[in-house]
Amino acid sequence: AQTVTQSQPEMSVQEAETVTLSCTYDTSESDYYLFWYKQPPSRQMILVIRQEAYKQQNATENRFSVNFQKAAKSFSLKISDSQLGDAAMYFCAYRSGTSYGKLTFGQGTILTVHP
Amino acid sequence: GAGVSQSPRYKVAKRGQDVALRCDPISGHVSLFWYQQALGQGPEFLTYFQNEAQLDKSGLPSDRFFAERPEGSVSTLKIQRTQQEDSAVYLCASSRVAGDNYEQYFGPGTRLTVT
Repeated sequence: AQTVTQSQPEMSVQEAETVTLSCTYDTSESDYYLFWYKQPPSRQMILVIRQEAYKQQNATENRFSVNFQKAAKSFSLKISDSQLGDAAMYFCAYRSGTSYGKLTFGQGTILTVHP
Repeated sequence: GAGVSQSPRYKVAKRGQDVALRCDPISGHVSLFWYQQALGQGPEFLTYFQNEAQLDKSGLPSDRFFAERPEGSVSTLKIQRTQQEDSAVYLCASSRVAGDNYEQYFGPGTRLTVT
């Protein structure tokens, strides 16, 4: 079974600074997808960024980028120019490439942004 | 619809009561997922529907949990004889296509408190 681990229960960053959230995963599969989701206090989970395991290039979405290290099974999220609206719980998630879409989530990291 | 909706948003049940949680997925979405999110934790998979067929119920924690999607759209998660350990947020998600790399859209969740 696949597992996803987020070792940082809480992180904080100053507005306009950069922060990196860590995620490691364990799998024996070669075909899979990794995701970062954001869950603001209102609880609606929102997809932030997605990475296909077969792609060597790290995914980027505006201020959000990932550092995908396949051999190390590491998938960190970098948030640049942090904004107050980035404050939320962030979840790393894994999806098998052969499944219908079931997600396995990490425990989450609470991100606080200080003005 | 504009997004995934869930009702009720909050439910308080006395131990031993039965509850029914409703999910309205985005119109036309084939795949529907239920997740359980304990306080301060990541969501955990409960069950998956492809149209009206329940293809995976491996995450349901006990036979007190039952889910259905009779017409392939609205889904109901029913919990019989609720216990305190059932207290959690129940999230529903839908996606357009099964078995493909399409985004899962999450609802706001139903927070269940069992007293």
